Amino acid sequence: AQSVTQLGSHVSVSEGALVLLRCNYSSSVPPYLFWYVQYPNQGLQLLLKYTSAATLVKGINGFEAEFKKSETSFHLTKPSAHMSDAAEYFCAVKPNYGGSQGNLIFGKGTKLSVKP
Amino acid sequence: DAGITQSPRHKVTETGTPVTLRCHQTENHRYMYWYRQDPGHGLRLIHYSYGVKDTDKGEVSDGYSVSRSKTEDFLLTLESATSSQTSVYFCATGVQLREQFFGPGTRLTVL
Repeated sequence: AQSVTQLGSHVSVSEGALVLLRCNYSSSVPPYLFWYVQYPNQGLQLLLKYTSAATLVKGINGFEAEFKKSETSFHLTKPSAHMSDAAEYFCAVKPNYGGSQGNLIFGKGTKLSVKP
Repeated sequence: DAGITQSPRHKVTETGTPVTLRCHQTENHRYMYWYRQDPGHGLRLIHYSYGVKDTDKGEVSDGYSVSRSKTEDFLLTLESATSSQTSVYFCATGVQLREQFFGPGTRLTVL
């Protein structure tokens, strides 16, 4: 069965520092991969997605992620953190094989804090 | 963003009472989903629908039922609410092999 692991339930960075949120998946076939962001008391918003095109994916708000098949990873990065980036981030995987109904499998989330 | 609304947005109920949550979409997406979000668990799929009257169970379906009589509406029912069903419930819609779009959530408290 597919699974998603997000390393670190809480990450704290200083404003202007690099943001790195880690996501690893388990799958025998490279899946579709997504990062979502959730601000307090809101629903989830798509940040970016990998669907087997370019391995470096750029998303909204300056975030990007790189798909590395050899490492089964899809880590999320941003060169310089802003206070407004404080939120919870979820990595999700969707099976990429015939017959799939397209159900997402979510990681448990990483809460990002940004210190002034 | 897809037009997804959820009602009610907040509900407090008592153990043993039935509860129905509604999800409404205006995007004509074929797939609709119900998730629950709990601290330390991320989002877990309760039920999903792949068309009118076509539904299936997700990871945590016990104690929940769903119905979809129209493309735009997907109802989640707790037949007899329990305290373990206190959670935030999210509806999502989607197109196969593409991303899902999420509603604003319903915060349910079962006393």
